[in-house]
Amino acid sequence: DSGVTQTPKHLITATGQRVTLRCSPRSGDLSVYWYQQSLDQGLQFLIQYYNGEERAKGNILERFSAQQFPDLHSELNLSSLELGDSALYFCASSVELAGATQYFGPGTRLLVL
Amino acid sequence: EDQVTQSPEALRLQEGESSSLNCSYTVSGLRGLFWYRQDPGKGPEFLFTLYSAGEEKEKERLKATLTKKESFLHITAPKPEDSATYLCAVQARGGSEKLVFGKGTKLTVNP
Repeated sequence: DSGVTQTPKHLITATGQRVTLRCSPRSGDLSVYWYQQSLDQGLQFLIQYYNGEERAKGNILERFSAQQFPDLHSELNLSSLELGDSALYFCASSVELAGATQYFGPGTRLLVL
Repeated sequence: EDQVTQSPEALRLQEGESSSLNCSYTVSGLRGLFWYRQDPGKGPEFLFTLYSAGEEKEKERLKATLTKKESFLHITAPKPEDSATYLCAVQARGGSEKLVFGKGTKLTVNP
């Protein structure tokens, strides 16, 4: 158990809908990262938050957004969903230190029908 | 652009048959190289971090090594429970702490 929690574990929805994925980092970790894993692309970095502020953006679509709350949990919002958004979405957290290990949560499996 | 290439894509071993997985990387400046293990449908599980060429880390049957261009994950006398996908990732110096991942090596160890 990494100490990172994610809910829900599974999500099935229809095209055009909006969903919210939730992540709670390990105790004491201020940085939260979101990654997407699909069969053909592997693990891709989406976005990083540090202590409530956006720190870095990767290949995140404009339809996707995220935020980190004062209690440090984070939410990833996916809107106008398309079939191609079906994937595993992982959250990771780390301490604020260059080269620090990122610990991953169990993931949310999203299926868009 | 930072890149990570892992080989082979898949590897089948007999129990006890040692082998190595390769991770080649291109990065502007390496801050760290990370190895993870991932079981189907689960989140990546941290194994090792390597920071500089020549560094080695060991854990049970696994040993990770690092050069200026690649890293190896050596598996000695593997057991069926070592079957998983092994992921390599790099973090570059400067800016974001994001990880750039390779596509992984799927290891199957037969009893």
